[in-house]
Amino acid sequence: TQLLEQSPQFLSIQEGENLTVYCNSSSVFSSLQWYRQEPGEGPVLLVTVVTGGEVKKLKRLTFQFGDARKDSSLHITAAQPGDTGLYLCAGVRSSASKIIFGSGTRLSIRP
Amino acid sequence: DSGVTQTPKHLITATGQRVTLRCSPRSGDLSVYWYQQSLDQGLQFLIQYYNGEERAKGNILERFSAQQFPDLHSELNLSSLELGDSALYFCASSVAASGGTEAFFGQGTRLTVV
Repeated sequence: TQLLEQSPQFLSIQEGENLTVYCNSSSVFSSLQWYRQEPGEGPVLLVTVVTGGEVKKLKRLTFQFGDARKDSSLHITAAQPGDTGLYLCAGVRSSASKIIFGSGTRLSIRP
Repeated sequence: DSGVTQTPKHLITATGQRVTLRCSPRSGDLSVYWYQQSLDQGLQFLIQYYNGEERAKGNILERFSAQQFPDLHSELNLSSLELGDSALYFCASSVAASGGTEAFFGQGTRLTVV
């Protein structure tokens, strides 16, 4: 059983389109992180959200933490081919120290 | 460059063998995490060490073990290897014991069991 479910698993869209990736759980997290991983590389942290309802923007990427701190979304505006990669959400529960990763969303942006 | 160094980068070995993967965390980081990533899958948490002590354990097989040394580098030992153990093994480090701070990942060790 996956603690963090990401959807969709795969997404292929045209350059310039918008998209949203979701990360859902039945558990409450003290913080939630989003990583991007390229082939042959380790994941690289994009953002950490810690407050319920928090919204953070990173250029064309908008991250939101759910009010109940159980879910998060990543919205990309005007996607570019350089956005292609595996996007992973990861959560930390206050009762534990380990970082739990979701199953990932593989994003492909076609020129 | 994340500052986390993993060696070797690639490893090919036969079933039944034992291998050791090594991780040097970023300077100043006390926490080391080990993850397994199978083809096109997410990251499965194996184990975490903080300042030499085991801090958290995930779905780590009994055939696998790890330790963190006084100089804070860590080793993941995989024994009695099976074909299904073929995967990317990542090490990450962070300053704190809690995962709320940023974790920096190494480039991984690609293990192929034949």
